[in-house]
Amino acid sequence: AQRVTQPEKLLSVFKGAPVELKCNYSYSGSPELFWYVQYSRQRLQLLLRHISRESIKGFTADLNKGETSFHLKKPFAQEEDSAMYYCALSGQGAQKLVFGQGTRLTINP
Amino acid sequence: GAGVSQSPSNKVTEKGKDVELRCDPISGHTALYWYRQSLGQGLEFLIYFQGNSAPDKSGLPSDRFSAERTGGSVSTLTIQRTQQEDSAVYLCASSLSLGQKNIQYFGAGTRLSVL
Repeated sequence: AQRVTQPEKLLSVFKGAPVELKCNYSYSGSPELFWYVQYSRQRLQLLLRHISRESIKGFTADLNKGETSFHLKKPFAQEEDSAMYYCALSGQGAQKLVFGQGTRLTINP
Repeated sequence: GAGVSQSPSNKVTEKGKDVELRCDPISGHTALYWYRQSLGQGLEFLIYFQGNSAPDKSGLPSDRFSAERTGGSVSTLTIQRTQQEDSAVYLCASSLSLGQKNIQYFGAGTRLSVL
């Protein structure tokens, strides 16, 4: 079975502080992992995916197959990072995305 | 270019009525997906289409839910005899093709409220 767990429903940090949003997954094959973000009153949009190995808006995420994790990190949080973040998994041969419950990130000034 | 378009943006209906939700995917995208976003359930997969075919209907919560896609483009999600537990935001997404690595692009959603 495919499962994505985001243990923190809410996360609040101060501007300039490091931020880490946790994501753990359960899948026996080779997954594709994604982070999607939903800013206030905007649609869900892709932030980054592990295959790209990019840094988007200062965020990075590394797939750790040993720990089955795909945590999202940013060294210095900005107020505009406040949003809902979803970790998602796509399994081999599967066409759907399996989402975690989401983490609401609030950056305090 | 235009993104995924969904209509209506909001729908209020009475329990027992039927509703139709529409999705216009990004032009040229062959794959289309429906998800539901509700309190306590997060984002859950409902159904996907490749062209006009729906190989996986496993996510549809009951036989009151159905979906079709015509001309390889527009899709309609129909909920018959709506119940209060159907209240949610229904999201549509499209991708260039099927496959694990394809990026899904989401619409703004239809917020359904069943009174």
